[in-house]
Amino acid sequence: AQSVTQLGSHVSVSEGALVLLRCNYSSSVPPYLFWYVQYPNQGLQLLLKYTSAATLVKGINGFEAEFKKSETSFHLTKPSAHMSDAAEYFCAVTGGSNTDKLIFGTGTRLQVFP
Amino acid sequence: DAGVTQSPTHLIKTRGQHVTLRCSPISGHKSVSWYQQVLGQGPQFIFQYYEKEERGRGNFPDRFSARQFPNYSSELNVNALLLGDSALYLCASSFTNTFVGELFFGEGSRLTVL
Repeated sequence: AQSVTQLGSHVSVSEGALVLLRCNYSSSVPPYLFWYVQYPNQGLQLLLKYTSAATLVKGINGFEAEFKKSETSFHLTKPSAHMSDAAEYFCAVTGGSNTDKLIFGTGTRLQVFP
Repeated sequence: DAGVTQSPTHLIKTRGQHVTLRCSPISGHKSVSWYQQVLGQGPQFIFQYYEKEERGRGNFPDRFSARQFPNYSSELNVNALLLGDSALYLCASSFTNTFVGELFFGEGSRLTVL
């Protein structure tokens, strides 16, 4: 069975500081992994996805994530936080083939202070 | 191009009532998925429909049902509402029926059950 665990329900950083949001996965098959962002009162937007190609994945808005099989991790990073990055971030793993079922983590709320 | 549209955006029901939520996918998208997001948690997969056929079902009771119409729009129905059904219901569309494609989410229908 597939699952993801997001460590830290809240992360606070100063503007310009490194952003690191943690995600560990569990999967019985080679996983496809995703990071989504949710701004207040909005739906989810795909930031990036890992689909077994390059282990370092670059996404939108300057975010990137590295797939580390040995650590079963897919942490999200951004070198320099911006105020507009404040949002809820969800890590997700596929729930199986031939379906759009995604299994989401519980989310990490990112706060950015000036 | 219009994104995924959901209606209504907000609604209030009482226990025992029935609710119908509607979703229009992005033009050209044939797959529609439904997710339930309870406050403070990640989205939970409810259903996926592709080409008007159910392709996946999450761990939800039979009170939850859905269907997809010939124009690929979809309805989610919930009968005998419980307080615990209060949540943001998200619809997502994609071109294919697999996770390889990106899921595009609507802004959701926020259901409050009193």
